[in-house]
Amino acid sequence: GEKVEQHESTLSVREGDSAVINCTYTDTASSYFPWYKQEAGKSLHFVIDIRSNVDRKQSQRLIVLLDKKAKRFSLHITATQPEDSAIYFCAASSGGNYKPTFGKGTSLVVHP
Amino acid sequence: GGIITQTPKFLIGQEGQKLTLKCQQNFNHDTMYWYRQDSGKGLRLIYYSITENDLQKGDLSEGYDASREKKSSFSLTVTSAQKNEMAVFLCASSEGASQNTLYFGAGTRLSVL
Repeated sequence: GEKVEQHESTLSVREGDSAVINCTYTDTASSYFPWYKQEAGKSLHFVIDIRSNVDRKQSQRLIVLLDKKAKRFSLHITATQPEDSAIYFCAASSGGNYKPTFGKGTSLVVHP
Repeated sequence: GGIITQTPKFLIGQEGQKLTLKCQQNFNHDTMYWYRQDSGKGLRLIYYSITENDLQKGDLSEGYDASREKKSSFSLTVTSAQKNEMAVFLCASSEGASQNTLYFGAGTRLSVL
């Protein structure tokens, strides 16, 4: 089955800098790659996604890049703010497969 | 908008006890999921259901049962709680196949004495 590896388990940046979280996947059939954010003491909520028909997507300060050849996708958070501090999870799934596979999460800390 | 409600928020059980966790959603979503979250291990899929009365095993189904009696509700049973077990169980729903956004409940935190 699909395996998703999230490379950074922790990440610490200064406010205003950019943060990058990298994930790789194994199943070439995977075509949908969402990212979720979990703030302290709360549940997960969706932040941004990318589908395999594009290689870049941006929503305000969030940019997702997809490299299908390398089976790698990444989340870039620009101009970080303290409220970006959270655990971020990447996930991957393929069409018709009801089982999204999650990475282990990256704990991002943004220092003032 | 909609909401996913998980009950109870906290569950304390005894070793060997059968424990049931409940999840309700009012999104009218077809697909529902149960994930287990352990520190450092991410989210692992226990069971999912693509429609009412459907059940599919995930990667971590051993030791659990599930039930989808109606479209809006999905329950999970720990068949025999393990001593010192601590985890958060997250329920989620999505509109259809997994190429849709998942919406998560607030979680049930389980502690076994």
